[in-house]
Amino acid sequence: AQSVAQPEDQVNVAEGNPLTVKCTYSVSGNPYLFWYVQYPNRGLQFLLKYITGDNLVKGSYGFEAEFNKSQTSFHLKKPSALVSDSALYFCAVRDSDNYGQNFVFGPGTRLSVLP
Amino acid sequence: DSGVTQTPKHLITATGQRVTLRCSPRSGDLSVYWYQQSLDQGLQFLIQYYNGEERAKGNILERFSAQQFPDLHSELNLSSLELGDSALYFCASSVGSRAEKLFFGSGTQLSVL
Repeated sequence: AQSVAQPEDQVNVAEGNPLTVKCTYSVSGNPYLFWYVQYPNRGLQFLLKYITGDNLVKGSYGFEAEFNKSQTSFHLKKPSALVSDSALYFCAVRDSDNYGQNFVFGPGTRLSVLP
Repeated sequence: DSGVTQTPKHLITATGQRVTLRCSPRSGDLSVYWYQQSLDQGLQFLIQYYNGEERAKGNILERFSAQQFPDLHSELNLSSLELGDSALYFCASSVGSRAEKLFFGSGTQLSVL
């Protein structure tokens, strides 16, 4: 079965500084990897995905993520953080070989961008 | 706005009761997913329906059941409610059964007193 770990419950970064939110995964087949963001009192919103191809994936709101197969990681990054980026971020994985199976979400990392 | 509609937004009920949560997927989406979000368990997948049929099952209790109707809306039924069932219940939808992108509703906050 697939699983996702987000080793940091909370990440604090100053506005304008680069940010990284970490994610590691475990799947039996080829991984489909995703990042979602949740703002207060809202549902989750899709940020980006990795299916195949370039290891660096670009997504919404200036976010990008780097897939590293050897380290089984998919860290979320942004070159310059904004206060409005403060939210709860979820990494998710789906096994490409698992027909009909659903995403598995990580526990979430709360990002606080300080002005 | 994701295009996924969930009703009601808030629900307060007592232990032992039964409630029904409703979800209307985005226009054109055939898959509906139900998730439970709580502070201690995180985001837990409950069940997926695709075009009216159950497609995948997660950590869904026997007291819970769901269905997807011919118009593709879905209902999640929770019965014999316990205090521990208090959580935020999300519905999500996608075009196909092997989703690459989920669209989430705003959720139903269930409080069991």
